[in-house]
Amino acid sequence: GEDVEQSLFLSVREGDSSVINCTYTDSSSTYLYWYKQEPGAGLQLLTYIFSNMDMKQDQRLTVLLNKKDKHLSLRIADTQTGDSAIYFCAEINFGNEKLTFGTGTRLTIIP
Amino acid sequence: NAGVTQTPKFQVLKTGQSMTLQCAQDMNHNSMYWYRQDPGMGLRLIYYSASEGTTDKGEVPNGYNVSRLNKREFSLRLESAAPSQTSVYFCASSEGGWNKYNQPQHFGDGTRLSIL
Repeated sequence: GEDVEQSLFLSVREGDSSVINCTYTDSSSTYLYWYKQEPGAGLQLLTYIFSNMDMKQDQRLTVLLNKKDKHLSLRIADTQTGDSAIYFCAEINFGNEKLTFGTGTRLTIIP
Repeated sequence: NAGVTQTPKFQVLKTGQSMTLQCAQDMNHNSMYWYRQDPGMGLRLIYYSASEGTTDKGEVPNGYNVSRLNKREFSLRLESAAPSQTSVYFCASSEGGWNKYNQPQHFGDGTRLSIL
């Protein structure tokens, strides 16, 4: 079955780059997503990448995908206090409408 | 823009009580989902509905029932609440369809449920 793994915690100094990592097991994954959850709120889609892509950039966000190692990362440049949240990696594959989520990484910004 | 609306936002129940969590979306989405979120476990799918009139079990369906009342509404019922069902429950919706798996899921703000 599908499995998606993430580290539970990450602390970064304000202004530095944050890199949140995710590994997945399903080789037939088609789309991989990053969601952000702020305290007391639901999940907000940040960005996603199709499995035939290696990289996607969107303003301060860069997603890197290594299909061979089944490794996905989210880089946040110039991390700000508003980036404090839990970040979830999720994947979906062909013919399946169900997302499989990782455990989430809680990003803490150090002033 | 309401998006996905969940009610109630908070609820405390006693063991054995029943209740229904409500979810409505105004985006004309075909697919709707119920998840539970527990610390260190991410989100786990309870039930989903790919279209009006259909429902399917997810990863953790035991102890729950769902109803897809119409295209807009998807409710989750706990018939006899147990402390293990203490969690945060999220409803989500998406465009759906087998060739639309790339459509993102939109989430409500959650229902925080405590079972004593």
